[in-house]
Amino acid sequence: EAGVTQSPTHLIKTRGQQATLRCSPISGHTSVYWYQQALGLGLQFLLWYDEGEERNRGNFPPRFSGRQFPNYSSELNVNALELEDSALYLCASSWKRGGGYNEQFFGPGTRLTVL
Amino acid sequence: DAKTTQPTSMDCAEGRAANLPCNHSTISGNEYVYWYRQIHSQGPQYIIHGLKNNETNEMASLIITEDRKSSTLILPHATLRDTAVYYCIVRVAIGQGGSEKLVFGKGTKLTVNP
Repeated sequence: EAGVTQSPTHLIKTRGQQATLRCSPISGHTSVYWYQQALGLGLQFLLWYDEGEERNRGNFPPRFSGRQFPNYSSELNVNALELEDSALYLCASSWKRGGGYNEQFFGPGTRLTVL
Repeated sequence: DAKTTQPTSMDCAEGRAANLPCNHSTISGNEYVYWYRQIHSQGPQYIIHGLKNNETNEMASLIITEDRKSSTLILPHATLRDTAVYYCIVRVAIGQGGSEKLVFGKGTKLTVNP
């Protein structure tokens, strides 16, 4: 069974540009989560999508946005890039059981570098 | 903020058991203890979770104290590939509401030495 996949592996942008990161969940998983891991700051929750809708959002500015497609894949968009947006962006997926959600399985991440 | 405290770092000899402690003194009755690990610059990997009974799977064992205020993750025969940062996370039980996000603390950097 294929795991969570993310693309691209690495992305280099300049300040002010926009970045688009993509995630494909494990087959059968309906939820996608996005996390940011900046150097020295640890893993921070960004966004949670389930069945096409945004369910929860972390403490990040509105220029961080995303969406989930009918096939449950997801896209994270970061507008007006700033130097401090340089980080490893991780996507995770999970599935429903008993009214709640199971453990999250993570992808390998996209390393975003803003110059 | 993370609801757990873990030692910053630990060392273990290859082939020996690695015992990683975690304190979660404010854990609620409906919160599970989850463990993840992250090998350098890779995505976190789910290891195990439990509520109050001890749990074991192919990767590790989880021992939770009777008062549930602390737990220990045990890697029975550590290998060099187990060198990673190990995160202990408390999370509301499935189906009982609460946020679905995982709140990661700083974790324990485990180094397995040859």
